[in-house]
Amino acid sequence: DAGITQSPRHKVTETGTPVTLRCHQTENHRYMYWYRQDPGHGLRLIHYSYGVKDTDKGEVSDGYSVSRSKTEDFLLTLESATSSQTSVYFCANKGAFSTDTQYFGPGTRLTVL
Amino acid sequence: DQQVKQNSPSLSVQEGRISILNCDYTNSMFDYFLWYKKYPAEGPTFLISISSIKDKNEDGRFTVFLNKSAKHLSLHIVPSQPGDSAVYFCATSDSWGKLQFGAGTQVVVTP
Repeated sequence: DAGITQSPRHKVTETGTPVTLRCHQTENHRYMYWYRQDPGHGLRLIHYSYGVKDTDKGEVSDGYSVSRSKTEDFLLTLESATSSQTSVYFCANKGAFSTDTQYFGPGTRLTVL
Repeated sequence: DQQVKQNSPSLSVQEGRISILNCDYTNSMFDYFLWYKKYPAEGPTFLISISSIKDKNEDGRFTVFLNKSAKHLSLHIVPSQPGDSAVYFCATSDSWGKLQFGAGTQVVVTP
């Protein structure tokens, strides 16, 4: 079990507005990740964190920033949302070992009009 | 350019028969592979994994095969059940746990 909650679960916003998605884990897993899922692409990594205040970019990081001030929370921010950021966003966590399973949250469906 | 490819977007199989899902990858440095299953409006759930030191891993009805020379892995589900109807993603993982996913295969198990 991931012990991951994501909020909000659904959001509709307008182009140009800032948006923050929250991921909360009940475990103290070291690694946390943000992915987006789009048709024909599977899931693609946006940003990940390997500890408090330690983050790095993923494959599709342009237009996104993240913060991790506590072990349990990983925030994804769209500074100025665009229609191309309409997607389903998944957060995931993983333990410290390379072969530990990565567990996913339920997702946030974001629509940018 | 996608480094993990699932070339079959869909698969229909009769209940009780075998489902075979295929996945190809391009980077021979990949050494850990996973399969996830996803139902609509839910997050992906881990199914089974295999490291490059093995060529087969089994867990109940699910078996993953790895052919390193062909850069190919497959997932066998035997026997297929209606609850197996879902989208299946193969993925590779690096040492940071960063996953690269294929585009997914929609499996439909018919009675």
